[in-house]
Amino acid sequence: AQSVTQLDSQVPVFEEAPVELRCNYSSSVSVYLFWYVQYPNQGLQLLLKYLSGSTLVKGINGFEAEFNKSQTSFHLRKPSVHISDTAEYFCAVSDPSGGSNYKLTFGKGTLLTVNP
Amino acid sequence: DAGVIQSPRHEVTEMGQEVTLRCKPISGHNSLFWYRQTMMRGLELLIYFNNNVPIDDSGMPEDRFSAKMPNASFSTLKIQPSEPRDSAVYFCASSRDNYSNQPQHFGDGTRLSIL
Repeated sequence: AQSVTQLDSQVPVFEEAPVELRCNYSSSVSVYLFWYVQYPNQGLQLLLKYLSGSTLVKGINGFEAEFNKSQTSFHLRKPSVHISDTAEYFCAVSDPSGGSNYKLTFGKGTLLTVNP
Repeated sequence: DAGVIQSPRHEVTEMGQEVTLRCKPISGHNSLFWYRQTMMRGLELLIYFNNNVPIDDSGMPEDRFSAKMPNASFSTLKIQPSEPRDSAVYFCASSRDNYSNQPQHFGDGTRLSIL
């Protein structure tokens, strides 16, 4: 079974600082990778996804992520964060080749807190 | 366009009572998912429907949990009888089809507290 590890449960940063949220996955086969964001009292929203092609993926709100197959990582980055980026961020993986290709496996989440 | 709509947003009830959570997926989406989110276990997939048919219910914790999708625009998740350990946020999500490259669109969740 696949697993997703988000190495940091909480990341506090100051406004306008850069941030990286780390994500590693366990699968050795081809995977699809996703980052979702959850604002307080809301559901998850898709930030970006990697399906194939360029390993650098750009998403909404100025976020980007880089797929590294050798490191089995998909870290999320933003060069300059805003207060409004304060939220919980979830990395997720799916296996397009298996019978359960609909299934997303989520990490435990990283709470990003942007301080003024 | 309207997103996934869940009701109620909050539910507080006593142990032993029946609880029914409701979900209206995005029009045109034929895949529907129910998730449970807790601090201890994170996000867990409870059940997956495709074209109104339950495909994978392996995540349903016990027989006390049941889910139905009588038509393409409505699904329910029922807990009977409820227990305090069922307290969690329950999310419904839908996607356009059952391919894993399609993003899932989440509702705002139902925060359930069982006393």
